[in-house]
Amino acid sequence: EPEVTQTPSHQVTQMGQEVILRCVPISNHLYFYWYRQILGQKVEFLVSFYNNEISEKSEIFDDQFSVERPDGSNFTLKIRSTKLEDSAMYFCASSVAGGADSKNIQYFGAGTRLSVL
Amino acid sequence: GEDVEQSLFLSVREGDSSVINCTYTDSSSTYLYWYKQEPGAGLQLLTYIFSNMDMKQDQRLTVLLNKKDKHLSLRIADTQTGDSAIYFCAESGGGFKTIFGAGTRLFVKA
Repeated sequence: EPEVTQTPSHQVTQMGQEVILRCVPISNHLYFYWYRQILGQKVEFLVSFYNNEISEKSEIFDDQFSVERPDGSNFTLKIRSTKLEDSAMYFCASSVAGGADSKNIQYFGAGTRLSVL
Repeated sequence: GEDVEQSLFLSVREGDSSVINCTYTDSSSTYLYWYKQEPGAGLQLLTYIFSNMDMKQDQRLTVLLNKKDKHLSLRIADTQTGDSAIYFCAESGGGFKTIFGAGTRLFVKA
């Protein structure tokens, strides 16, 4: 069964460093997403991406964050100058369709646990 | 803004039915979902229901939707110890994002 894969499973970094979290969405999916889950809190939407551009982003997704689809298979989340409060589980997701009123069924990867020290 | 609320804990005995409840605020919700998260794992899509449906059954899982009250429930029949996990209610329809509840931790006692 096709699945979303994320690497690494755990990333440890020093405060102020840049990190890149990687995702390989399901191959026939066109919409890609990043979410995060701070320990003990809700899963929060960060950004959606379609046709090589951001389609929607949350207030959390500020200038320190960026996303990219560098090739035909990978989807990345870059966090510049990480802060302690960026420590969380980051989930990538993908869907065939997206947007209001669509069958926007998102399939999630296993997540990357980011620990900022 | 949009919000999804669910109770935090549920404890049942093995073999009993579990019912996890959820309420949401977004009247434009198109699809509602149940995801399962086991310890250290990702979010596994269990089932979903379209907003013009009242009920959906999938093996041991039954989803009930009361759109008037904005109430969604997930019933797991014959609950097993392997069903112990966190269950997230979620909704979409207002855009690209999916809005999640805080998750209900299901404990199944043998």
